[in-house]
Amino acid sequence: DQQVKQNSPSLSVQEGRISILNCDYTNSMFDYFLWYKKYPAEGPTFLISISSIKDKNEDGRFTVFLNKSAKHLSLHIVPSQPGDSAVYFCAARGAQKLVFGQGTRLTINP
Amino acid sequence: DTAVSQTPKYLVTQMGNDKSIKCEQNLGHDTMYWYKQDSKKFLKIMFSYNNKELIINETVPNRFSPKSPDKAHLNLHINSLELGDSAVYFCASSPTGTSTDTQYFGPGTRLTVL
Repeated sequence: DQQVKQNSPSLSVQEGRISILNCDYTNSMFDYFLWYKKYPAEGPTFLISISSIKDKNEDGRFTVFLNKSAKHLSLHIVPSQPGDSAVYFCAARGAQKLVFGQGTRLTINP
Repeated sequence: DTAVSQTPKYLVTQMGNDKSIKCEQNLGHDTMYWYKQDSKKFLKIMFSYNNKELIINETVPNRFSPKSPDKAHLNLHINSLELGDSAVYFCASSPTGTSTDTQYFGPGTRLTVL
């Protein structure tokens, strides 16, 4: 009964191209969504977030899109850089807690 | 300076033992959390404390007992360890625990139960 799912365990993208990471959720009560980035042997670090009242939030090379009717959000990274290679977790907030997906491993190829 | 630190980083122990994982944050945050990353890689909340008071207590076996001596520390004690407890445990903190807070994570503790 995972409420947040990232169905692609891995993604490989050429440097300079766009990376698109996807996330689906089931609970319509979630009101805030976040993306975290994780390097090996480190904890997740906050990347970008979006409130449920918005459909887009942009921060430099990172843009998060929210489609509430489809219960889907995506993270776009453009242009992708080698340092973006990491595991990306999406998370949704409800009832004072975060519910995380299982992560997508992004590899940026030179 | 490490914002959220955990000790130990790795913990290998036998079934049935009791062990503790320590967490400290130097960010001045009011709220601290424990998460478990299971074999399927999902990060799941276990507990959260706000100013030493338990706020969230998910469906976790009562062999797991969090202890918060002060708001900068949240330790996790596990009794009678089982094979299924093997996982990576992450501590996190956030300023106030409100819905738009950013959580800051420690580096994780990889627990292996043999």
